[in-house]
Amino acid sequence: DTAVSQTPKYLVTQMGNDKSIKCEQNLGHDTMYWYKQDSKKFLKIMFSYNNKELIINETVPNRFSPKSPDKAHLNLHINSLELGDSAVYFCASSQIGQSGYTFGSGTRLTVV
Amino acid sequence: TQLLEQSPQFLSIQEGENLTVYCNSSSVFSSLQWYRQEPGEGPVLLVTVVTGGEVKKLKRLTFQFGDARKDSSLHITAAQPGDTGLYLCAAANDYKLSFGAGTTVTVRA
Repeated sequence: DTAVSQTPKYLVTQMGNDKSIKCEQNLGHDTMYWYKQDSKKFLKIMFSYNNKELIINETVPNRFSPKSPDKAHLNLHINSLELGDSAVYFCASSQIGQSGYTFGSGTRLTVV
Repeated sequence: TQLLEQSPQFLSIQEGENLTVYCNSSSVFSSLQWYRQEPGEGPVLLVTVVTGGEVKKLKRLTFQFGDARKDSSLHITAAQPGDTGLYLCAAANDYKLSFGAGTTVTVRA
């Protein structure tokens, strides 16, 4: 049973398109995140949601819109994709008061 | 300027050798976490260090938290090819986890 699952694993799309990535966690955690890992492997926080409420928006372009329908799901919609959006996007979850994040296996987005 | 500085950036060693990865900052942390990431996967938590001067062992991996809680190290004894991966230190605060740039470790058979 996968703890944090995200789909799709790979996404290849043309510039200007709109795409979505879905994430679900079955750990009962109250906080979920989106991270972006660039070509140099640096992991940077994009968004943080606690109990469906947006807590952190780390200077991400407003083409990126997260949505949390419930505390087990956090989706990421990206409008008007640009070449620079190519990266691996990771969903993660954690529980306040407990250390450690659990990450999904990532979505490799390639914009051509 | 990154909150956490990791060194070295790359490390390539022969099976059986030892290695150490460093994570440094000018900030004081209540705790630091270490993760390992393998190709095509997300980071996986290895350990959390909380107390200044703390040493934690996980089989052949030894983690140390500096006395002043500003730095940490990861030492691997008798490295094996299965230890190959990207090692990341991270600090948690204010609903986010901030990562160092990572150390890519390659253990050659």
